[in-house]
Amino acid sequence: EAGVTQFPSHSVIEKGQTVTLRCDPISGHDNLYWYRRVMGKEIKFLLHFVKESKQDESGMPNNRFLAERTGGTYSTLKVQPAELEDSGVYFCASSPSEGLGGYTFGSGTRLTVV
Amino acid sequence: LAKTTQPISMDSYEGQEVNITCSHNNIATNDYITWYQQFPSQGPRFIIQGYKTKVTNEVASLFIPADRKSSTLSLPRVSLSDTAVYYCLVAPGTTGRRALTFGSGTRLQVQP
Repeated sequence: EAGVTQFPSHSVIEKGQTVTLRCDPISGHDNLYWYRRVMGKEIKFLLHFVKESKQDESGMPNNRFLAERTGGTYSTLKVQPAELEDSGVYFCASSPSEGLGGYTFGSGTRLTVV
Repeated sequence: LAKTTQPISMDSYEGQEVNITCSHNNIATNDYITWYQQFPSQGPRFIIQGYKTKVTNEVASLFIPADRKSSTLSLPRVSLSDTAVYYCLVAPGTTGRRALTFGSGTRLQVQP
């Protein structure tokens, strides 16, 4: 089966610009998560979708971040306007609703704000 | 979510067995222990998950004592390609499929 796909793999933008990250989860996975690692820090949870609904968005840093998952398939994470401290690697993960096992992560999007 | 503690780094040589121990003193009754592996420029990859006693798959073994306050990931006969960061996480198994809490992980360096 195809894994979790993230696009783009890298993005370099200027402070104040807008960037949209996309995540395509494994087909049929109801749960979709966004995580972020900023330089030198641990991987931190941002938010969790169950289908198209936001189950938990407690990790979203501020209102410059907007995540959507229209139709319960792919998800986008928009940062507007981007700030220098938003630089980092953004990971997406998905998991099915039932059964044990881990979460499948994508390879991440490395965002650099200059 | 239960906090985990694991060594910051470990060194080994090719062909050796590596055991990475993780402490999770506040593990809850419905928590499972899961280990992930992460290579540079990639996302974390699920290795193994267990609830108690021993679990083995084609990649690793996971040993969990009766009190479940710790666990040990065992990698048999490591190779250079096993150089990575290994994360121990504790979270509910299936109920709610909650978010994961990552710690600093253990950076394993395998030497030739």
